[in-house]
Amino acid sequence: DAGVIQSPRHEVTEMGQEVTLRCKPISGHDYLFWYRQTMMRGLELLIYFNNNVPIDDSGMPEDRFSAKMPNASFSTLKIQPSEPRDSAVYFCASSFGRSTGELFFGEGSRLTVL
Amino acid sequence: AQSVAQPEDQVNVAEGNPLTVKCTYSVSGNPYLFWYVQYPNRGLQFLLKYITGDNLVKGSYGFEAEFNKSQTSFHLKKPSALVSDSALYFCAVSVYNFNKFYFGSGTKLNVKP
Repeated sequence: DAGVIQSPRHEVTEMGQEVTLRCKPISGHDYLFWYRQTMMRGLELLIYFNNNVPIDDSGMPEDRFSAKMPNASFSTLKIQPSEPRDSAVYFCASSFGRSTGELFFGEGSRLTVL
Repeated sequence: AQSVAQPEDQVNVAEGNPLTVKCTYSVSGNPYLFWYVQYPNRGLQFLLKYITGDNLVKGSYGFEAEFNKSQTSFHLKKPSALVSDSALYFCAVSVYNFNKFYFGSGTKLNVKP
């Protein structure tokens, strides 16, 4: 299996621009998670989906952030408009809910907002 | 509220020596505990987990961890460190359903030759 695939790996954009991060989970996994990692705040859960349905988005920092999962093999995290404080590494992870919890992480998308 | 604490930002150890990376947790209910490792510019990789049963669990790359309910700890250990073990280590806890994980702040392990 190819693992969790994220794109882009690196994104540099200017404040105010829209950013879209993409994730392809492992085939057969029914949970998908979006995390953000920063030096100051560590690893934060933003949102997670079960069977393509958002279950808990309490970690989404504000309305500028939105996430979708239109099908079992694709999810997006969108930031509009982006701000410098959004600069971070964004990770997507997936898991199989009937297993005992192991998360499989993608390589991350490093976002820099100037 | 559920939480995980990794009291050491950094652990330094010489190659060949035993290593310990500490983790304590606070949960309401039975904890499910995990360790992950992150190498530079990579995603987190699963190392090992405690769900139930034997308090000593063994994982990848020779790592093991001991669940101690009375001390609410789940310390990561390895008998003999390798330089290639140098990385960032995260402890995580989940309760009930494996759908929400709480991660510690991470501990940077430096293994020197």
